[in-house]
Amino acid sequence: AQTVTQSQPEMSVQEAETVTLSCTYDTSESDYYLFWYKQPPSRQMILVIRQEAYKQQNATENRFSVNFQKAAKSFSLKISDSQLGDAAMYFCAYRSLMDSNYQLIWGAGTKLIIKP
Amino acid sequence: DTGVSQDPRHKITKRGQNVTFRCDPISEHNRLYWYRQTLGQGPEFLTYFQNEAQLEKSRLLSDRFSAERPKGSFSTLEIQRTEQGDSAMYLCASSPSFGSYEQYFGPGTRLTVT
Repeated sequence: AQTVTQSQPEMSVQEAETVTLSCTYDTSESDYYLFWYKQPPSRQMILVIRQEAYKQQNATENRFSVNFQKAAKSFSLKISDSQLGDAAMYFCAYRSLMDSNYQLIWGAGTKLIIKP
Repeated sequence: DTGVSQDPRHKITKRGQNVTFRCDPISEHNRLYWYRQTLGQGPEFLTYFQNEAQLEKSRLLSDRFSAERPKGSFSTLEIQRTEQGDSAMYLCASSPSFGSYEQYFGPGTRLTVT
């Protein structure tokens, strides 16, 4: 069974600086998707960025980028120019392409604090 | 379309009571998922619908839990004889059946069992 591990329960960063959130996963599959979701306090989960395992190029979305290391099974999220609105729980998630139910397997999350 | 909606947002109930939650997915999405999230944890998969068919149920979903999606539109999740361990946030998500693999989440229903 696949597992996702986020080893940083909490991270803090000064506004306008860069922070990296870590995620590792375990799978025997070669094809899958990885996601970072953001869950602001009392608000719904929204997708930040997505990476297809077959793509070597790291995904980027504006200030958000990933460092995808397939062999190491590592998928970290870098947030550049941190803003107060980035404060949230960040979850790393895995989606198999073998499972027909398309469920997401989640890490425990990292709470990101932005210091003004 | 304003996204996935869930009702109620909060529910407080006494142990042993039955509760029912509703999820309205994005209208053109035929996949619908229920997850449970406890404090400080990531969501855990409960069940999955493709249209009106419930195709997968987690082992977490005991026989006190039942979910339906009549006519492939909204879905309900019922918990019978609630227990304190059922206290959690119940999240609903939907996605289209092809193309994007992104799941769109609702705001969740927070259940407190006293």
